[in-house]
Amino acid sequence: AQSVTQLGSHVSVSEGALVLLRCNYSSSVPPYLFWYVQYPNQGLQLLLKYTSAATLVKGINGFEAEFKKSETSFHLTKPSAHMRDAAEYFCAVSPAPHNQGGKLIFGQGTELSVKP
Amino acid sequence: DAGVIQSPRHEVTEMGQEVTLRCKPISGHNSLFWYRQTMMRGLELLIYFNNNVPIDDSGMPEDRFSAKMPNASFSTLKIQPSEPRDSAVYFCASSPGSGGVPTDTQYFGPGTRLTVL
Repeated sequence: AQSVTQLGSHVSVSEGALVLLRCNYSSSVPPYLFWYVQYPNQGLQLLLKYTSAATLVKGINGFEAEFKKSETSFHLTKPSAHMRDAAEYFCAVSPAPHNQGGKLIFGQGTELSVKP
Repeated sequence: DAGVIQSPRHEVTEMGQEVTLRCKPISGHNSLFWYRQTMMRGLELLIYFNNNVPIDDSGMPEDRFSAKMPNASFSTLKIQPSEPRDSAVYFCASSPGSGGVPTDTQYFGPGTRLTVL
């Protein structure tokens, strides 16, 4: 069965530092992968998604993620953290076979804190 | 666009009472998803619909939970009777694809925070 594992439930960085949030997936077929962000007291919103085109995917707010099949990873990065990036980040996979109505399987989430 | 609308935003009820959560998806979207979020269990998919038809309800915790989608613009999630362990934030999300496109973006509502005393 497909799944995603997010390494680290909490990550803390200083403002201006590199952000790296880790996600590894398990899938028997080429996966579709997503990163969503949840700001406090809000619903989730899409940051970016990998749909088997370019392996380096650029998203909103300066985030990007690279699909690495050899490492079964889809880590999220941002070169320079801003205070407004403090939120919870979820990695998700669309399970195969890819005819299951568009459902997603979410990871447990990583809470990002940004220190001034 | 108004986005996904959920009501109420907050609900406090007593154990044993019936609770009904409501969702209006984005106009033109054909798939609708109900999630539950708790600290202990994270984000769980409860049930989802394509074109108003329930596709998979395997995530519904037990028979006390039921969901309906009588038309393309409205869905309800009902808990009867409610229990304290049902306390959580319930999210509704919609996506455009008809039949459920695996690469579709899901658009989430703001959630309903349910507290069962």
